[in-house]
Amino acid sequence: KAGVTQTPRYLIKTRGQQVTLSCSPISGHRSVSWYQQTPGQGLQFLFEYFSETQRNKGNFPGRFSGRQFSNSRSEMNVSTLELGDSALYLCASSPSGTAKLEAFFGQGTRLTVV
Amino acid sequence: DAKTTQPNSMESNEEEPVHLPCNHSTISGTDYIHWYRQLPSQGPEYVIHGLTSNVNNRMASLAIAEDRKSSTLILHRATLRDAAVYYCIGTNAGKSTFGDGTTLTVKP
Repeated sequence: KAGVTQTPRYLIKTRGQQVTLSCSPISGHRSVSWYQQTPGQGLQFLFEYFSETQRNKGNFPGRFSGRQFSNSRSEMNVSTLELGDSALYLCASSPSGTAKLEAFFGQGTRLTVV
Repeated sequence: DAKTTQPNSMESNEEEPVHLPCNHSTISGTDYIHWYRQLPSQGPEYVIHGLTSNVNNRMASLAIAEDRKSSTLILHRATLRDAAVYYCIGTNAGKSTFGDGTTLTVKP
């Protein structure tokens, strides 16, 4: 069974640009969550999608957005990039997002904003 | 959100048991307690989770206090491959609040 796939693995962008990251969950999983990981703030929850609907949202500005497609693949978008957006972005998939089941993480996309 | 508190770091000798503590005094009655670990340059890996009862799986055991305000992850025989950052999380319906985690060092 293929794991969670995130693309691209590495990305360098310039301040002010926008970026789109992709996450393909494990086949059959309908919940996808996104996290930002930085040395200073640790792992922070961005949002969770289930069946194409955003079900939970963390405390991030509106520049951070996401969506989920009918095949459960998800994308997150960051507009007007800032230096502080440099981070490892992780997505996690689970069958339904219920806390009764474990989540499976991808290897992340390392975003560097210069 | 369930906030968790863990020691910053712990050390263990190889082949010995390790007890990793976690305080989650603000956990709600419906929050599950999950443990994940993260190796350098990798995404977190699921270890174990539970609600009220102690749990065992092939990787570890989870001991949950009766009042659910704390839990302990038990690695029965630490190996060098167990060296990682271990996160204890209170999870409810797809939203997980990660703490700072415990960096476990395993000495040969």
